[in-house]
Amino acid sequence: DQQVKQNSPSLSVQEGRISILNCDYTNSMFDYFLWYKKYPAEGPTFLISISSIKDKNEDGRFTVFLNKSAKHLSLHIVPSQPGDSAVYFCAAIIQGAQKLVFGQGTRLTINP
Amino acid sequence: DTEVTQTPKHLVMGMTNKKSLKCEQHMGHRAMYWYKQKAKKPPELMFVYSYEKLSINESVPSRFSPECPNSSLLNLHLHALQPEDSALYLCASSQVHGYNEQFFGPGTRLTVL
Repeated sequence: DQQVKQNSPSLSVQEGRISILNCDYTNSMFDYFLWYKKYPAEGPTFLISISSIKDKNEDGRFTVFLNKSAKHLSLHIVPSQPGDSAVYFCAAIIQGAQKLVFGQGTRLTINP
Repeated sequence: DTEVTQTPKHLVMGMTNKKSLKCEQHMGHRAMYWYKQKAKKPPELMFVYSYEKLSINESVPSRFSPECPNSSLLNLHLHALQPEDSALYLCASSQVHGYNEQFFGPGTRLTVL
């Protein structure tokens, strides 16, 4: 049972445009959501997070939106840069449970 | 210091070898984790230590043996591994309480021959 789903295995965006990565979850107990970025042969790097009591969190070029009723979150990157090319993982957690549940990842490619 | 370090970066071992992976953090985090990641897959949780005590074991085979000597160090002892255990092994750390972003190390690329 995949509780966190990233339905797009890959996404290609032109440099300077907006990248939108999507994530859906099924467990309504999740109350904290995170996005990680991963380059090949490296560990995931924490990008941005959002609590279930918020619907938006912004950090520089990165904004995460949460729609609790739809059990959906998205990561917006504006403007997209070549260095943003990586695999992005959405993750969810129940506070205090310590177990991150990851989606399958979306490979983002930024084209010049 | 917001870094988690892991050694070695690469490890090749035979099925009869015994080896250890090491992880260190100096962020004052009291939760530490071992994950396994196969190509094109998300990280898969193996073990969690809270306050140096094993709190979660995700039914990992006994050929993997974790150890937390102190609040900054985490080891993973390997013995009699199988070729299918070849993967990227990731260490992470976080606060124990509250919303706990996990910070990952660069990983150890393990190849079992």
